[in-house]
Amino acid sequence: DIQMTQSPSSLSASVGDRVTIACRADQFIDTYLIWYQQKPGKAPKSLIYDATILQSGVPSRFSGSGSGTDFSLTISRLQPEDFATYYCQQSFTTPYTFGQGTKLEI
Amino acid sequence: EVQLVQSGAEVKKPGETLKISCQGSGYGFTKYWIAWVRQMPGKGLEWLGNIHPVDSDRTYNPSFQGQVTFSVDRSITTAYLHWITLEASDTAIYYCARLNTVGRDFDYWGQGTLVTVSS
Repeated sequence: DIQMTQSPSSLSASVGDRVTIACRADQFIDTYLIWYQQKPGKAPKSLIYDATILQSGVPSRFSGSGSGTDFSLTISRLQPEDFATYYCQQSFTTPYTFGQGTKLEI
Repeated sequence: EVQLVQSGAEVKKPGETLKISCQGSGYGFTKYWIAWVRQMPGKGLEWLGNIHPVDSDRTYNPSFQGQVTFSVDRSITTAYLHWITLEASDTAIYYCARLNTVGRDFDYWGQGTLVTVSS
């Protein structure tokens, strides 16, 4: 299985900050990398697919980068509604695997 | 509007059987794989596998094969996740999700079904 490792596991930030979350695959996954946001008690929401493409309706302050094995999610100006847990996931090959999550806290 | 609506929370005993459901609407149900994802209490996301509504083609995560099975009833646009013998370690929230063939992401999710297994 492809192992996905996110860093950091948790992150404290303030409204208006710029934050970056990293995700590393232990094998080549091209750009088959997705980022999800999950708020407490809710289902995950797809933010970015194909490493860099924003899902419809996702604010432009979210951006993704990377290819191969190293990826990142950047939120340019944190808003109160962005405090959540973020997961990366590879869809290069089955079994699809997720990172362990990054909890973004105020 | 695309929606995946899952069945309600379940409380079961170890050794019991269970089937939970996920009904899709607002899109061509037969055009997309349905995935199942587990989230144990306070933990991350784990992909159990996918099923295609057209021919019930299934892809299981080897880590879960033999523990769960998937089925689908196209006539009522509903996918199912089955357990033959529940264990306490099956306690989790189970999500269904639509697999988008373009982005290969799970672009729509059900609200989740909490399964509690306890004696």
